[in-house]
Amino acid sequence: ETGVTQTPRHLVMGMTNKKSLKCEQHLGHNAMYWYKQSAKKPLELMFVYNFKEQTENNSVPSRFSPECPNSSHLFLHLHTLQPEDSALYLCASSQRLGANTGELFFGEGSRLTVL
Amino acid sequence: SQQGEEDPQALSIQEGENATMNCSYKTSINNLQWYRQNSGRGLVHLILIRSNEREKHSGRLRVTLDTSKKSSSLLITASRAADTASYFCATDTPLVFGKGTRLSVIA
Repeated sequence: ETGVTQTPRHLVMGMTNKKSLKCEQHLGHNAMYWYKQSAKKPLELMFVYNFKEQTENNSVPSRFSPECPNSSHLFLHLHTLQPEDSALYLCASSQRLGANTGELFFGEGSRLTVL
Repeated sequence: SQQGEEDPQALSIQEGENATMNCSYKTSINNLQWYRQNSGRGLVHLILIRSNEREKHSGRLRVTLDTSKKSSSLLITASRAADTASYFCATDTPLVFGKGTRLSVIA
């Protein structure tokens, strides 16, 4: 138990569906992250939020839409995805964001399959 | 953001042997971190070494950092089957990871 909870753990969706991934952290951290992990590729940093404000968007397609209503919750809204978007989506949090970010705490991930 | 690159990509050893993984990076860092990932699970933080440190220990783990060569190594001593996982290094802020080293420890 890392203190970061992701739901759902598994999701299968069609290309025309709209779904959301949820991440909640119980650690009192101020920074939250979405990473994408595809087979045989490095973890890709998608979005970063610091004190609810988005600080980084690594050229992620608009079919992925993040939302951070408060420092404890992070969502990833999905719509009109492609089969190549199938991957493990990992949420993480850290106490702060900056020159000495320190340890990241990861959730168990949401395994997404796009048919 | 820079990326850490791990080497080798895959490593297979017998239980009880030591495992060494290497990480190279490109520019100056404040610290370097190592993480472990069991198949299909989230990453777990193992150890953080600051740029002014050369070596750090945690249980069976030993991490070294050579800032002049922009490299780090992770040594797992007396490996166990339960150490089978992928290992990643990460640098910079926000953290950017490489492809990792897949370690298999055979009982």
